[in-house]
Amino acid sequence: EIVLTQSPATLSVSPGEGATLSCRASQSISTSLAWFRQKPGQAPRLLIYDASNRATGIPARFTGSGSGTDFTLTISSLEPEDFAVYYCQHRYNWPPALTFGGGTKVEIK
Amino acid sequence: QLVQSGAEVKKPGATVKISCTVSGYNSTEYYMFWVQQAPGKGLEWMGLIDPGDGDTIYAEKFQDRVTFTADTSIDTIYMEVRSLRSEDTAIYYCASWPGDYWGHGTLVTVSS
Repeated sequence: EIVLTQSPATLSVSPGEGATLSCRASQSISTSLAWFRQKPGQAPRLLIYDASNRATGIPARFTGSGSGTDFTLTISSLEPEDFAVYYCQHRYNWPPALTFGGGTKVEIK
Repeated sequence: QLVQSGAEVKKPGATVKISCTVSGYNSTEYYMFWVQQAPGKGLEWMGLIDPGDGDTIYAEKFQDRVTFTADTSIDTIYMEVRSLRSEDTAIYYCASWPGDYWGHGTLVTVSS
């Protein structure tokens, strides 16, 4: 079973600054990784799929990178709505299954 | 769009059944999966259903007490959780594979 470890657990950032979030897989997963943002009281929303592709409607300030075991989500300039919890997710193709990382909370500094 | 049924309050040992209705596309087009989020905790994948043929896959933690079903005539999937206990108190989300669309979540509270 693949385990996804996110770091840091909490990241304190000032509005307008950038942020870098990390997700490490316990074994190589190629580029089968997605990132989600969950605002308080809301469902998660897909930001990035296949490690580096922005989902429909996601602004360019979100960039995903990485392959194998190490992945990064970079937010270039934080907007108020970006203060939220971020999860990485791995998709197993067969049999189909999903696993999530533990999350990184991005809070206002 | 995925529309889930409303919040539930159940006693320990009871059963809850949550619905998730698909609109805007045919429910048979994608696998549908369920995620549990306990209060203040992260996302935990529970399993999925292929609404087209009813095939299901359950995460090991949930396979004994959870059942997914689908009624494609009304584009609705269901999740039933039996023998509820306090640790089942959580928000339950349905979503389309692999995560493009999510329901708003259903809060299930298990309390005596």
